[in-house]
Amino acid sequence: TAGITQAPTSQILAAGRSMTLRCTQDMRHNAMYWYRQDLGLGLRLIHYSNTAGTTGKGEVPDGYSVSRANTDDFPLTLASAVPSQTSVYFCASSEAGGQDTQYFGPGTRLTVL
Amino acid sequence: GQNIDQPTEMTATEGAIVQINCTYQTSGFNGLFWYQQHAGEAPTFLSYNVLDGLEEKGRFSSFLSRSKGYSYLLLKELQMKDSASYLCAVIGNDYKLSFGAGTTVTVRA
Repeated sequence: TAGITQAPTSQILAAGRSMTLRCTQDMRHNAMYWYRQDLGLGLRLIHYSNTAGTTGKGEVPDGYSVSRANTDDFPLTLASAVPSQTSVYFCASSEAGGQDTQYFGPGTRLTVL
Repeated sequence: GQNIDQPTEMTATEGAIVQINCTYQTSGFNGLFWYQQHAGEAPTFLSYNVLDGLEEKGRFSSFLSRSKGYSYLLLKELQMKDSASYLCAVIGNDYKLSFGAGTTVTVRA
C-alpha cells in the first residue's frame, strides 16, 4: 500500500515564485496535516484539515495556504516564496484527528533562493 | 505555548541501553507520542502514552509521569539500525501535536 505520497521529492525555487506541494493518502483518513522541519526546531504545524472541506491554521501558517477538496488530497501552496521558507515539508494523516496516531509522508525538500 | 525539551544528542554502544528523556510544559495534556526518524526519511510511530506508567513494545519501552511532565523512551539491546533521531511530541488542549527538537542517537560498534 502506498500510504502517503508527496511530490516533488525536492525542489529549488526562486524567491517570489509560487509553488504547490502535493500530498495524497490512500488510507481514507479524515485528518491531514502539513509540517515543516528545520534544524534545531523540530516539526512545526503549518495547516491542518480535520475533514474534507475544512481547514485550520497551525503554529506557522503565514505565507502558506491549503485546500481540502476531497479526502485523499491536501495540497500546500506558497504564493510568493521567500528564503525563510527553505525547509523540509512533511504531510501527515490520521484516521480521525485528535489523539489518533499520525502517519507521515516521505517529505519534500524545498530550497528558496 | 508548548515547551518540550529533550537532549540534542546521545551516543551509546551496540548492545547497550539508552534512555532518552523528555520534559514538557503544555496547555493541557491529551497524550504523548514517540517517533523515530532516520536521516532523510519520514518520522515513524513508536509509542503512545496517555496514562502514567510503562508501555513495553519489544526492545523499546516508553514511560510517562503526568504529574512530573516527564516521559522517557528506553531502547534496549541497541543495534546499529537504531541510529536515528527520536522525537517526543505532546497533544495539548487543542488536540494538535507539538514536537520537541528531537534527540539524535548514535550507536557505535
